[in-house]
Amino acid sequence: QVQLVQSGAEVKKSGSSVKVSCKASGGTFSSYGVSWVRQAPGQGLEWMGGIIPIFGAPNYAQKFQGRFTITADSSTGTAYMELSSLRSEDTAVYFCARVRVPSAIHDALDLWGQGTMVTVSS
Amino acid sequence: EIVLTQSPDTLSLSPGERATLSCRASQSVSNYVAWYQQRPGQAPRLLIFDASTRATGIPARFSGSGSGTDFTLTISSLEPEDFAVYYCQQRSNWPTFGGGTKVEVK
Repeated sequence: QVQLVQSGAEVKKSGSSVKVSCKASGGTFSSYGVSWVRQAPGQGLEWMGGIIPIFGAPNYAQKFQGRFTITADSSTGTAYMELSSLRSEDTAVYFCARVRVPSAIHDALDLWGQGTMVTVSS
Repeated sequence: EIVLTQSPDTLSLSPGERATLSCRASQSVSNYVAWYQQRPGQAPRLLIFDASTRATGIPARFSGSGSGTDFTLTISSLEPEDFAVYYCQQRSNWPTFGGGTKVEVK
């Protein structure tokens, strides 16, 4: 049974970058897409963007275009998200999640990673 | 961007009671709405997709309805583990989430 396992918590300085990984443990992404969703402390969920690893082309929510990069290595079943020019408001838990429908980039998210806390300090 | 407005912000109920949660879209999203449950310290869990289809393993007490701009998640009889925050999400356009409804113990 596939699980999504994310890398550990990060503490970063303002202006730096962070890269979080999401590995499909016990399987691969196959033709499923992966989305990234973040949640600031005590706040709701925010969709950031997604990628279908076997196709490679990411797409991003407008708010995150420019500072946010999604990549994937389908051979290792790992997706990555990198956020640059970090600021305090980027402090949040970052989740990866599998898109329910194969080859779809926008659909419900049926399998989630455990989340990675990213703390940005000045 | 399509805005999803959830109401109420908080629902105070007792175990065994019925919960009715609302999600309103700023424009039509057809039936492209999903619902998630999030317990404290956990990742969200998919409950309902395409407005009314239960995800795998979700108990029958959870049901979804609606189309266009108005959607409802109903929990027919609250179990202790159902006290959590619930989010709706649309995929008609770039995905967006509602602000959430917290279901708390009265």
